[in-house]
Amino acid sequence: DGGITQSPKYLFRKEGQNVTLSCEQNLNHDAMYWYRQDPGQGLRLIYYSQIVNDFQKGDIAEGYSVSREKKESFPLTVTSAQKNPTAFYLCASSPRDSGYGYTFGSGTRLTIV
Amino acid sequence: DQQVKQNSPSLSVQEGRISILNCDYTNSMFDYFLWYKKYPAEGPTFLISISSIKDKNEDGRFTVFLNKSAKHLSLHIVPSQPGDSAVYFCAASDVTSGSRLTFGEGTQLTVNP
Repeated sequence: DGGITQSPKYLFRKEGQNVTLSCEQNLNHDAMYWYRQDPGQGLRLIYYSQIVNDFQKGDIAEGYSVSREKKESFPLTVTSAQKNPTAFYLCASSPRDSGYGYTFGSGTRLTIV
Repeated sequence: DQQVKQNSPSLSVQEGRISILNCDYTNSMFDYFLWYKKYPAEGPTFLISISSIKDKNEDGRFTVFLNKSAKHLSLHIVPSQPGDSAVYFCAASDVTSGSRLTFGEGTQLTVNP
């Protein structure tokens, strides 16, 4: 079965540490996305990639970094520069053309302690 | 600039009655609209969509209406069931943004037994 996998489900890190969230898809989708969900703020785009070895900043990219070395993988690193990293992080993928919508992963809850 | 807005953070309805969730947009280039449903600690799942060339799309208990002149769409759920209780996100795309979606803030629907 094709799908998109985020791991881990829950992640705890100490303040000041970088942490990398994993996102893997076997849907053969060209485009991948990272969103952050905070209470009352909906889904805010962090980074997206339309093709391998290329990615663009979204609306709230500061303090985050990504790579897209393989079509299937789009890891997100939350750096110590991110001022308020505790949130629910969602990864999604889609075909490159518009109109098909996204397939989302099940999310990672990151808590900075 | 919030291009997709869901002005009602929450909605409560009785089981069996109609639920109406609303969404407004400002970008006249949007040509495809989607609704996603999200349970806590899970990724959103696709519910229903509509192209800008249509004004209505129906799928079982779910109907989406699009009023392009008013830049408004709505999701009707009839009859509402307790299992429909979730956060509903409206999303839109346009051909110039490729596959990227713009999301609203979400509306928490609660269906009371």
